[in-house]
Amino acid sequence: EVQLVESGEGLVQPGSSMKLSCVASGFTFSNYGMNWIRQAPKKGLEWIALIYYDSSSKYYADSVKGRFTISRDNSKNTLYLEMNSLRSEDTAMYYCAIDSVPFAYWGQGTLVTVSS
Amino acid sequence: IQLTQSPSLLSASVGDRVTLSCKGSQNINNYLAWYQQKLGEAPKLLIYNTNSLQTGIPSRFSGSGSGTDYTLTISSLQPEDVATYFCYQYNNGLTFGSGTKLEIK
Repeated sequence: EVQLVESGEGLVQPGSSMKLSCVASGFTFSNYGMNWIRQAPKKGLEWIALIYYDSSSKYYADSVKGRFTISRDNSKNTLYLEMNSLRSEDTAMYYCAIDSVPFAYWGQGTLVTVSS
Repeated sequence: IQLTQSPSLLSASVGDRVTLSCKGSQNINNYLAWYQQKLGEAPKLLIYNTNSLQTGIPSRFSGSGSGTDYTLTISSLQPEDVATYFCYQYNNGLTFGSGTKLEIK
């Protein structure tokens, strides 16, 4: 059974940094690209980052480009999202999802709150 | 591509036939999916490529449409269908709609 488990939830101040993790199981992690998708409170969903299976390419939404970095460790079956210069508008539930067309497998999400 | 969903809130009775709409700002070429999100849960894929039912999804869910206009239909609304429904296009970039919240009357 495919499982994606995000962690790193927390409350941080504007301008600070935070790192999220997503541990994968039930499939061959190193064969698949992975994504981060977020959902602001009572708002819609926003794709924010994609990393290829071998980390050879990374893509970002304009809203996070230059501030967020997606990475992975295939030896640990883990996906990461490093978030810098956090803003109040980054407050959201963050989901990891396997790169498929369309996204069929999602984690349960981890909540990031940016507030002073 | 921007996606506009309507209505934003829909209240219907158990057993009703329910239709949710999703309109794109450009041609989506049938690369449209529908997700169901229940309170506190991750989105669940229901329909992909406009009308293909994801494995394990009840047959009361169906999708249709073409060009810029797409529809999700629930043929007989069940209490467990209470959720927010999002459309999602993957023809040109990746865009989600703002959602339709479905309630039981």
